[in-house]
Amino acid sequence: NAGVMQNPRHLVRRRGQEARLRCSPMKGHSHVYWYRQLPEEGLKFMVYLQKENIIDESGMPKERFSAEFPKEGPSILRIQQVVRGDSAAYFCASSPEGLRQGTQYFGPGTRLLVL
Amino acid sequence: SQKIEQNSEALNIQEGKTATLTCNYTNYSPAYLQWYRQDPGRGPVFLLLIRENEKEKRKERLKVTFDTTLKQSLFHITASQPADSATYLCALDPEYGNKLVFGAGTILRVKS
Repeated sequence: NAGVMQNPRHLVRRRGQEARLRCSPMKGHSHVYWYRQLPEEGLKFMVYLQKENIIDESGMPKERFSAEFPKEGPSILRIQQVVRGDSAAYFCASSPEGLRQGTQYFGPGTRLLVL
Repeated sequence: SQKIEQNSEALNIQEGKTATLTCNYTNYSPAYLQWYRQDPGRGPVFLLLIRENEKEKRKERLKVTFDTTLKQSLFHITASQPADSATYLCALDPEYGNKLVFGAGTILRVKS
């Protein structure tokens, strides 16, 4: 049973470009969470999605960031017009039933570097 | 304001000793608290979950306590090994189901 998969593992972008981060949850999991981790800081929640729905995006910056989890295919975190401050590790996690019933399983992360 | 805090200084201990890590929180009333392990360049790995009505939880060499009066959780690794060296994160769910709030983590180094 494959774990949560994220790609790419490393992504380099120049300021102003777009970054697309992909997350395939564990088989049977329909809940996806995105977190961002800055150097020397803890993970910060960004967005929580279920298939085709955004449930909670309270941690997502209002501009330039968007997320989706289509009926088919991986969840995508999209960052438009990247700036140096977007450089961080972005982690995706999935769970089968939502947090009230259990925990979440993390992917290996995508490390974004903005030049 | 709401905070979740872990020791910012690294914990250095000798192999075989018990490591104790602390997680304190303020202005939260979590139904449960979780502990994760994170190795450099990797995602967090779930270790233990303890609910508000549980005082203690064990799993092999790991033990977690949860004191809702003190608003504190302690994480113990007994008979520590160099392979236990990692960053340990505590996390709580502040809103019953939508997200986890993480502490910044404590680095544990076990020396042989």
